[in-house]
Amino acid sequence: GAGVSQSPRYKVAKRGQDVALRCDPISGHVSLFWYQQALGQGPEFLTYFQNEAQLDKSGLPSDRFFAERPEGSVSTLKIQRTQQEDSAVYLCASSLSEATDTQYFGPGTRLTVL
Amino acid sequence: EDQVTQSPEALRLQEGESSSLNCSYTVSGLRGLFWYRQDPGKGPEFLFTLYSAGEEKEKERLKATLTKKESFLHITAPKPEDSATYLCAVRSYNFGNEKLTFGTGTRLTIIP
Repeated sequence: GAGVSQSPRYKVAKRGQDVALRCDPISGHVSLFWYQQALGQGPEFLTYFQNEAQLDKSGLPSDRFFAERPEGSVSTLKIQRTQQEDSAVYLCASSLSEATDTQYFGPGTRLTVL
Repeated sequence: EDQVTQSPEALRLQEGESSSLNCSYTVSGLRGLFWYRQDPGKGPEFLFTLYSAGEEKEKERLKATLTKKESFLHITAPKPEDSATYLCAVRSYNFGNEKLTFGTGTRLTIIP
């Protein structure tokens, strides 16, 4: 498959646990995005990478959220000390370059914090 | 700040009954308006990008149109497999802005 993949697809965490969500973008795609989607809502922007550089993290809701893309390919979104309000679907998207508008989304990771 | 409003929130149609979904937007310089389809438990699937007022794009039973204030997604003679949530998003020309701003979507149900 040549699409964006994410793992795990489902994650259940106890409140206060740390979690790590993985995104494998389409091969060769320079830009990578993380979005958060609450039930019944549209996706909301979290952060954006161009290669390994994190150019925009204005959507991260708190300093408990951290994202990295050290080699400009796979990205990890980490949430520390999870809270119930962190429960949502976390979507990853990639696009070919910063000049290319179309973002292709992965299937998402559904995080449930108990 | 970019804003997107979609209506209606939900729409139920009989198979073959054509209709339109609305997306109203406010941006400081439209770089692109995007339509996505999202099935339950899946990520958004790209449908169309529109860039300027008057532009239209078609794919099977779907046609997207754009004005300076809104976009319409027209569905002609829909089939049950067209049932999904349809999301509209915009991208603006703000410096350094690469993100998409989404609406809350229209949940479309086609009844056989």
